[in-house]
Amino acid sequence: KAGVTQTPRYLIKTRGQQVTLSCSPISGHRSVSWYQQTPGQGLQFLFEYFSETQRNKGNFPGRFSGRQFSNSRSEMNVSTLELGDSALYLCASGGEFSSYEQYFGPGTRLTVT
Amino acid sequence: KQEVTQIPAALSVPEGENLVLNCSFTDSAIYNLQWFRQDPGKGLTSLLLIQSSQREQTSGRLNASLDKSSGRSTLYIAASQPGDSATYLCAVPLSNQGGKLIFGQGTELSVKP
Repeated sequence: KAGVTQTPRYLIKTRGQQVTLSCSPISGHRSVSWYQQTPGQGLQFLFEYFSETQRNKGNFPGRFSGRQFSNSRSEMNVSTLELGDSALYLCASGGEFSSYEQYFGPGTRLTVT
Repeated sequence: KQEVTQIPAALSVPEGENLVLNCSFTDSAIYNLQWFRQDPGKGLTSLLLIQSSQREQTSGRLNASLDKSSGRSTLYIAASQPGDSATYLCAVPLSNQGGKLIFGQGTELSVKP
């Protein structure tokens, strides 16, 4: 069974630009969660989508948005990039309930200059 | 508000030693607890998932225990190897629905040959 895939793996953007990251969950999983990881803040939850609906949301500004498609693939968009958005962005794939194990992708390393 | 703490932040041991990593959580009403491993710059690899009704889970040289009443979990690594060097994170879900995980800050483990 293929694991969670994220594209692209690396990105370099300039302040003010926008970026879109993609995540394909494990086949059959309908939940996709996104996290931001930085050395200072650790892993912070961005949002979760389940069956194309946002089910949970973290405390991030509206510049961070996401969506999920009917095939469960998810995209995350960050508009008006700031230097502080430089981070490793991870997505996780899971089932309907929290009793299911969460599987993470390799991450997208975003650098904002 | 659920908070997850991991102590120590870093640990260095000689190869072959048995070791224990600690994870504590403030709200004992958890649904499960998951241990992950993260290599530098990489995604998270799921190691063990312990459901709230379980006391422990084992996988190879790894054994994770859960004591909900005291708000603690431990990850025991037997006969440590240099390849075990990584950051170990524990996480609990925020609710029964959804993939929002609350993470500890992690323990960075270094196993010296």
